[in-house]
Amino acid sequence: SQELEQSPQSLIVQEGKNLTINCTSSKTLYGLYWYKQKYGEGLIFLMMLQKGGEEKSHEKITAKLDEKKQQSSLHITASQPSHAGIYLCGAEPIKAAGNKLTFGGGTRVLVKP
Amino acid sequence: EAQVTQNPRYLITVTGKKLTVTCSQNMNHEYMSWYRQDPGLGLRQIYYSMNVEVTDKGDVPEGYKVSRKEKRNFPLILESPSPNQTSLYFCASSSQGGLGNQPQHFGDGTRLSIL
Repeated sequence: SQELEQSPQSLIVQEGKNLTINCTSSKTLYGLYWYKQKYGEGLIFLMMLQKGGEEKSHEKITAKLDEKKQQSSLHITASQPSHAGIYLCGAEPIKAAGNKLTFGGGTRVLVKP
Repeated sequence: EAQVTQNPRYLITVTGKKLTVTCSQNMNHEYMSWYRQDPGLGLRQIYYSMNVEVTDKGDVPEGYKVSRKEKRNFPLILESPSPNQTSLYFCASSSQGGLGNQPQHFGDGTRLSIL
């Protein structure tokens, strides 16, 4: 089955500093999604990556998918308190898999003012 | 406003008492899914539905039932809840069954406690 490893599991960053979260798969990914979750609340969709080498940005968040489509990174520039939360990567292992998303364990981000 | 709505948001109940968590989406999405989220285990898929009257098991379907009689609704049924079903549950929907084209939109979650 699809395994997604996220690292680090948690991190504390000073406000204004950059941070990077990684998501690694044991298999080639068909689609890779990044979500943000505030504790105990729903998941907010951030970005979707499909093509090898693809990179997308929204405000201060940039996500990349490597050429082999087995690793993705999420980078936040000049972090703010609003960036605090749990970041989850989700992936579809193969096409037409019934949209069976597998999720990584999450990365808990705390931004210190 | 496009959204996925779950009810109830919180529920404390006792072992064996049947319960239903409702999920409704107003985006005319074909695909709907249920997940549970547990500490250390992350999000795991329970059941999903590609369209009306089409449902299939996810990774952890034991102890759950679903139905998809209408496009907008996808209730999760626990016929005889047990304490190991205490968890945070999420409903999600997307168009075209996903397939990497459209992201899943999630509800705000239902926190179930089974005593």
